[in-house]
Amino acid sequence: GNSVTQMEGPVTLSEEAFLTINCTYTATGYPSLFWYVQYPGEGLQLLLKATKADDKGSNKGFEATYRKETTSFHLEKGSVQVSDSAVYFCARTPNDYKLSFGAGTTVTVRA
Amino acid sequence: NAGVTQTPKFQVLKTGQSMTLQCAQDMNHEYMSWYRQDPGMGLRLIHYSVGAGITDQGEVPNGYNVSRSTTEDFPLRLLSAAPSQTSVYFCASSYLRGEDKLNYGYTFGSGTRLTVV
Repeated sequence: GNSVTQMEGPVTLSEEAFLTINCTYTATGYPSLFWYVQYPGEGLQLLLKATKADDKGSNKGFEATYRKETTSFHLEKGSVQVSDSAVYFCARTPNDYKLSFGAGTTVTVRA
Repeated sequence: NAGVTQTPKFQVLKTGQSMTLQCAQDMNHEYMSWYRQDPGMGLRLIHYSVGAGITDQGEVPNGYNVSRSTTEDFPLRLLSAAPSQTSVYFCASSYLRGEDKLNYGYTFGSGTRLTVV
């Protein structure tokens, strides 16, 4: 089965709303965890990462904390903007080079 | 600009035709990979390579071939296109190990949208 499970969308929000996208991972080995973002018509870009338990990744107002006890890496942003409309992917890699992705969550922010 | 270049951006094929999707990177990344993106399924790994002359299968390799004759290039070949191969294809590269891999993550191309009719 898939080693990364993320909440299904689509998610529609108003500007300045709080965003949470849940992500849980399979706890084999000591994975590194990532969030990637895909803006319309583009490839994926690294948004943030965490490489060990209790690490907090942050970028562009987004945050995610590596929670080993709940095997989770939920993405949060306190006040979203229209420009945050995109598809967000949670991903993990164990101690090698291959990334496994979640199914992606489409987020639409309305003005 | 440094990065991953994919060509073509769009392609329509007839069932049974063959074609090659091109991928090139200029960052001297050892690792290169091909993913397909389908609605509700995220990205699935087709093939990957850890260096010139070395390739291996991912989750969904059937119907695709790859080769890695140089560090820069990693073409994906569809041998006999089928409608089930209609998808968006992404090439991605990264450093293979160590701090560089974790710090910079993967670099993705902008994708090839393939339709097989």
